[in-house]
Amino acid sequence: DAGITQSPRHKVTETGTPVTLRCHQTENHRYMYWYRQDPGHGLRLIHYSYGVKDTDKGEVSDGYSVSRSKTEDFLLTLESATSSQTSVYFCAISERGNNEKLFFGSGTQLSVL
Amino acid sequence: AQTVTQSQPEMSVQEAETVTLSCTYDTSESDYYLFWYKQPPSRQMILVIRQEAYKQQNATENRFSVNFQKAAKSFSLKISDSQLGDAAMYFCAYRSTNAGGTSYGKLTFGQGTILTVHP
Repeated sequence: DAGITQSPRHKVTETGTPVTLRCHQTENHRYMYWYRQDPGHGLRLIHYSYGVKDTDKGEVSDGYSVSRSKTEDFLLTLESATSSQTSVYFCAISERGNNEKLFFGSGTQLSVL
Repeated sequence: AQTVTQSQPEMSVQEAETVTLSCTYDTSESDYYLFWYKQPPSRQMILVIRQEAYKQQNATENRFSVNFQKAAKSFSLKISDSQLGDAAMYFCAYRSTNAGGTSYGKLTFGQGTILTVHP
């Protein structure tokens, strides 16, 4: 299994509070991604990174920010959590090359009350 | 933008039987990748099979095979000799080849199909 650790695994928070989810990889992969999974929508890309301090928006980026100060860490921040951000959040990593694969973390279940 | 549609929210199959999960997609691109991912209750995302659009031959991985119809933009997954461990949510996904390295992980997913396997 790819070395991807997401923390926390579960979190319950209140509307209006800031929340940061962490993705840590030990594979030294260049590309990192944050997805959210919701019933009826599958997984949707929030933000992604193509290197240290290089990030870009995905399909559903509103209300989220990201940072990548080191190759191994990719942080997802909800500045002021809303109930619509209750979801399962997945981090994924990939690297350039033939038959490149996308490796997923185990997900973080976030509940915003 | 590309879209992926899985029209079967739920499917069921008897153990040892065959089941087919449907997926259609919409794109204006001629070269791309298609994937099927399995998500068991553990939540782990597991790559089942991958198809490159420029290859006419349907991909096969053991009991899993696809029926790729490029003109119809259809990409179905066939599971043969179904096993209890095949029970999971299955996602169809599309990936462009046009965005260079950043496209490797930029997938568009369908809504998912929950597969139940009856003993």
